[in-house]
Amino acid sequence: GIQVEQSPPDLILQEGANSTLRCNFSDSVNNLQWFHQNPWGQLINLFYIPSGTKQNGRLSATTVATERYSLLYISSSQTTDSGVYFCAGRQAGTALIFGKGTTLSVSS
Amino acid sequence: GAVVSQHPSWVICKSGTSVKIECRSLDFQATTMFWYRQFPKQSLMLMATSNEGSKATYEQGVEKDKFLINHASLTLSTLTVTSAHPEDSSFYICSASPGLAGAVLSYNEQFFGPGTRLTVL
Repeated sequence: GIQVEQSPPDLILQEGANSTLRCNFSDSVNNLQWFHQNPWGQLINLFYIPSGTKQNGRLSATTVATERYSLLYISSSQTTDSGVYFCAGRQAGTALIFGKGTTLSVSS
Repeated sequence: GAVVSQHPSWVICKSGTSVKIECRSLDFQATTMFWYRQFPKQSLMLMATSNEGSKATYEQGVEKDKFLINHASLTLSTLTVTSAHPEDSSFYICSASPGLAGAVLSYNEQFFGPGTRLTVL
């Protein structure tokens, strides 16, 4: 199966700062998703982005499928953005495989 | 749309007992559902793929006789942890994809339940 690597593992920001999270995958995927796991464990779907660029408010994501990586941008970070961000990739007929996550801490 | 529910949200049981966890897709049908396990401070690890009307497919290292999966309908999959022991204590999460080309929801996007926290004493 594919390997998914995320960086950085931990990120500490001041409120208002911008950040970029990266996800590399070992082989081509036909599904790439970004999630935010809240303190209660619920995975919140942020983006379904096998290729291209999408934006949703202060968050945006870009996947360059030919180079096997995806980026998640968080602008003007807020304390409520704190938590763990996962990316996960999937090949046809298989389940999503998760990276180890990036733990983001935003302080006021 | 795309809501997946799990029940119970948490359970505490004694060692040796069995625990059943339900996963339901509330507003779409799912021929395939997935079960994951997450230990504290770790990522989600795939346990098994649940297929409606057929046997589940288990990942390497996951005991199929211990983690019984039944996908009885297009909206319900159950995971039963048999003879649970303290090392089975974990956060169990299910997911599902609509799986129908042309549906309003993305064919390939997976949606996750809120998880079930199992503590075995």
